[in-house]
Amino acid sequence: QISLKESGPTLVKPTQTLTLTCTFSGFSLSTSGVGVGWIRQPPGKALEWLALIYWDDDKRYSPSLKSRLTITKDTSKNQVVLTMTNVDPVDTATYYCAHQQRRDGYNLDAYDMWGQGTMVTVSS
Amino acid sequence: DIVMTQSPDSLAVSLGERATINCKSSQSVLYSSNNKNYLAWYQQRPGQPPKLLIYWASTRESGVPDRFSGSGSGTDFTLTISSLQAEDVALYYCQQYYSSPFNFGQGTKLEIK
Repeated sequence: QISLKESGPTLVKPTQTLTLTCTFSGFSLSTSGVGVGWIRQPPGKALEWLALIYWDDDKRYSPSLKSRLTITKDTSKNQVVLTMTNVDPVDTATYYCAHQQRRDGYNLDAYDMWGQGTMVTVSS
Repeated sequence: DIVMTQSPDSLAVSLGERATINCKSSQSVLYSSNNKNYLAWYQQRPGQPPKLLIYWASTRESGVPDRFSGSGSGTDFTLTISSLQAEDVALYYCQQYYSSPFNFGQGTKLEIK
């Protein structure tokens, strides 16, 4: 079955670069129609979509964060990495990675499996 | 960007009663070429990641109880829980996946009255 797990630092200082890794199993990111996305949730707040990478290495970013985000994949390691530069206390959140796949022949950019999330605090 | 707005922000319903949550998109998420609405609903219980309930606006994900149903088209959508159970206490989010960025609504908190 599909599973995903996020990993990375729990505490980051302002202006530093945050690197988060999503390690998954049960699917391959080289399979047509598959993607992995990143979503975050500040404490007590709503979900915020951040970025997405598809099996063919196509990438999408939130416009408000695009200049600070980079998403990459390592198919051989079953990992997706999200890098966020110049972090600020407002970036404090639980960060989730999640799986998506084409259904019934149509692209489905909704997330059917999620990791448990990793809490990141930005503070000096 | 497509903005997703949910109503109400919070809702209290008695056990066994119907709960209705609305979601409105700032532009249509109906793809004319396949007549599908690119709209999903999620449930997030306290301390848990979100769980996909509904996609294509009305298709129930495998394993989701049939008391959950989705309806609507274009810009206006509804999630209905036909008979509220205690385990349905959660936050509910809609999400559009018509165009990037694939934004979520602000969430609706569902509680027991």
